[in-house]
Amino acid sequence: EAGVAQSPRYKIIEKRQSVAFWCNPISGHATLYWYQQILGQGPKLLIQFQNNGVVDDSQLPKDRFSAERLKGVDSTLKIQPAKLEDSAVYLCASTRDSLVQYFGPGTRLTVT
Amino acid sequence: RKEVEQDPGPFNVPEGATVAFNCTYSNSASQSFFWYRQDCRKEPKLLMSVYSSGNEDGRFTAQLNRASQYISLLIRDSKLSDSATYLCVVNNGAQKLVFGQGTRLTINP
Repeated sequence: EAGVAQSPRYKIIEKRQSVAFWCNPISGHATLYWYQQILGQGPKLLIQFQNNGVVDDSQLPKDRFSAERLKGVDSTLKIQPAKLEDSAVYLCASTRDSLVQYFGPGTRLTVT
Repeated sequence: RKEVEQDPGPFNVPEGATVAFNCTYSNSASQSFFWYRQDCRKEPKLLMSVYSSGNEDGRFTAQLNRASQYISLLIRDSKLSDSATYLCVVNNGAQKLVFGQGTRLTINP
């Protein structure tokens, strides 16, 4: 079974630029999550989707971050405009119907 | 107060030693508990679930104390390959997981 796919793996941008990340979850997994992991910290949930609907986006900075999962499969997370403090690893995870989440390799973002 | 708190370490222990980590959580309604392992520059992966009665998986033992709201992980006969960050994870409902900061462990030869 293929795992969670993410791209790109690395991205370097300047502050105030925009960036987008893509995630393809494990086939059949209805729930998809985006996390932000800053160096030295645990993953912090940004947004949770159930199929193509948002379950929880309470910690998503909506003035600059947006996410969508239009067809209930893959998802994109966008940052516009980026700030220096957005430098982090952005992890996508999915689950079918349990609490065990499977993570993708992440996208390492550096904002200069 | 953080929802899930862990000592970030680092813990440096010799190979073959026994090491234990604790984690505390603030939400008494938390339903499920896990330990995830994260290798350097890799994604988190489930190590084990934590059950009320305690559970063991090879050299790893996890325990839950609901009254005191903490969970623990014990690693016996530690191996070099156990070097990683161990994340304490709590479920607060609706398939939502809250991660602790992680405890960094290095096993020395």
